[in-house]
Formats: sequence, C-alpha cells, structure tokens
Amino acid sequence: AQSVTQLGSHVSVSEGALVLLRCNYSSSVPPYLFWYVQYPNQGLQLLLKYTTGATLVKGINGFEAEFKKSETSFHLTKPSAHMSDAAEYFCVRLDSNYQLIWGAGTKLIIKP
Amino acid sequence: KAGVTQTPRYLIKTRGQQVTLSCSPISGHRSVSWYQQTPGQGLQFLFEYFSETQRNKGNFPGRFSGRQFSNSRSEMNVSTLELGDSALYLCASSTGTTRDEQFFGPGTRLTVL
Repeated sequence: AQSVTQLGSHVSVSEGALVLLRCNYSSSVPPYLFWYVQYPNQGLQLLLKYTTGATLVKGINGFEAEFKKSETSFHLTKPSAHMSDAAEYFCVRLDSNYQLIWGAGTKLIIKP
Repeated sequence: KAGVTQTPRYLIKTRGQQVTLSCSPISGHRSVSWYQQTPGQGLQFLFEYFSETQRNKGNFPGRFSGRQFSNSRSEMNVSTLELGDSALYLCASSTGTTRDEQFFGPGTRLTVL
C-alpha cells in the first residue's frame, strides 16, 4: 500500500539550530510530494512541493527538502530554527487518484 | 484571489443532532476535498468532489455525506452526531485535473457534547 512515514511525532531543537524532519514514502512510481505546515489553531499551508525536475526544492520561510529516489526520502530542513517555526509539519504524497496520502505529522518544538 | 473559506468556524452540537458545514473553494477550482483532524487519529480523508460528483471516498460511516453544487461550493453533513465526531473539519480545493497542490481553508471546529 502506498504510504508516507514521518519519523518522530515530536522533534525538539534549540533556536538557531538545524531543523531536520524526516519523511519516507513508499511508491512504485515517482511520487508528487509535499510538505504542509499547520500553525496552532490554523489551517494547513503548503511549505513546498516536488513534482519533477530539480530534486532540491526550496519553500517558504527558509525551508527546503531534497527528493532522494534511492532512499525513498523527502526530508525537510532549515538551517536555523526560529521560534515562529513551532508548528506541526506533514509530509504528503499525491496518488494517481489525485488523493493526498498523509504522514502522521511531526510537531516541531523550538527551545529558546 | 480569495482563498478557501469555511463556515461556520466553530460549532457546538449535542449527540444525536445533525450538522452541515460549508466550503467555498478558490475561484476556478473544481475539486473539493474534506478531511477530519483529531489529536488521536491525525488527518483522515473523508471524500472528494469534482464537478458535482463524488470522485473519492475515505473510510467513514454513512452518517458522513457531502455534495457539491454547480458553482463548486461544497457542503458536508454529519447526521446523528456522536461524541467522537468532535474534530477540526478541513476543506481543501484544487483544480483537480493536474497533480497540483491543495489549498486548505481554516477549518470548522465541531464540538459534540
């Protein structure tokens, strides 16, 4: 079955430190992949997406993700965490029926 | 371009009642999807409507239903509410014809007492 696995339901980093949120997918065909962010008590916002082409994708708020086919991964990174990055992050893939397959989400906690 | 709007933003109902939630997609978008988000289950797909037809359906009981109008606006109905239906209900719109992103509304927070 097609799935998306996010490693770690909670990730805690210090302000200014590197942010790394891990995502692995299972797919028999090249996937369309997304990272969405949900700030407290708000809806979901697209951070970035990979469809085809360049495997390093840059998104909003300084985030980027790299599609690695050999590792079936699409990890999200940011060089320096800000307090405002505290949110829940979802790795998502789009299946052939235009349906989103969601990861369980990772809550990012920023320590001052 | 206006974003996805959902009404109402908050609802309080009692068990056994029914509720209707509304979603207006981005202009030009023909696909509307509905999701239920709870702390325990995360984001779960309810159904997707495209050009007034249900195109995809998640694994929810028949108490959950929806429809889409000719202007692409969509409604979701939950009948015979249960305590476990308390959740944030999110609506997302997209063109539905290309493998592009979905744009989400702010959600409707439903509390069942």
